[in-house]
Amino acid sequence: DIQMTQSPSTLSASVGDRVTITCRASQRISSWLAWFQQKPGKAPKLLLYKASNLQSGIPSRFSGSGSETEFTLTISSLQPDDFATYYCQQYNSDPWTFGQGTKVEIK
Amino acid sequence: EVRLVGSGGGLAQPGGSLRLSCAASGFAFSSFAMAWVRQAPGKGLEWVSSTSGSGSSTSYADSVEGRFIISRDNSKNALYLQMSNLRPEDTAIYYCAKVSSVLPTESYFDNWGQGTLVTVSS
Repeated sequence: DIQMTQSPSTLSASVGDRVTITCRASQRISSWLAWFQQKPGKAPKLLLYKASNLQSGIPSRFSGSGSETEFTLTISSLQPDDFATYYCQQYNSDPWTFGQGTKVEIK
Repeated sequence: EVRLVGSGGGLAQPGGSLRLSCAASGFAFSSFAMAWVRQAPGKGLEWVSSTSGSGSSTSYADSVEGRFIISRDNSKNALYLQMSNLRPEDTAIYYCAKVSSVLPTESYFDNWGQGTLVTVSS
């Protein structure tokens, strides 16, 4: 199975900050990576797919980069609505696996 | 607008069974693979099972293989998860998710239902 490791596990930031979350895959996955945002009590929401493609309706302050084993999610200017937990997920091969999550907290 | 409404969760005893359902609307259901993803209380996301658009191809996580069966009824726009021989570690919110293509391979989860809670306890 492909292991996905996110860092950091928790991130404290202020509104307006630039935030970067890293996701590493234990095997090469090309660009078959998605990023999700989840708020407490809610279902996950797709932010980006194929590493860098923004899902329809997602603000342009979210961006993604990387390939093969190292990926990043960047929020260019953190907004109050962005405080949430973020997950990466590989869909290169079965079983599909998620990172453990990164919680973005208010500093 | 894509809409996925899960139901069927509840309390089950260890060794018991439950059947989850997911009613889909707002898209051509048979043209897309579907999946179940779960989240134990306070934990991360775990893929459980996927099925192709026709239902002819299915796959399972090792943790549920042989105990859970995914199926779909394209005439009713419905996805199911039959869960048997339940264990306490199956306690989780179960989300149904639409996949971005007719086959699960190299496809991502683009829409999620609201989730249904399954609790396995005596």
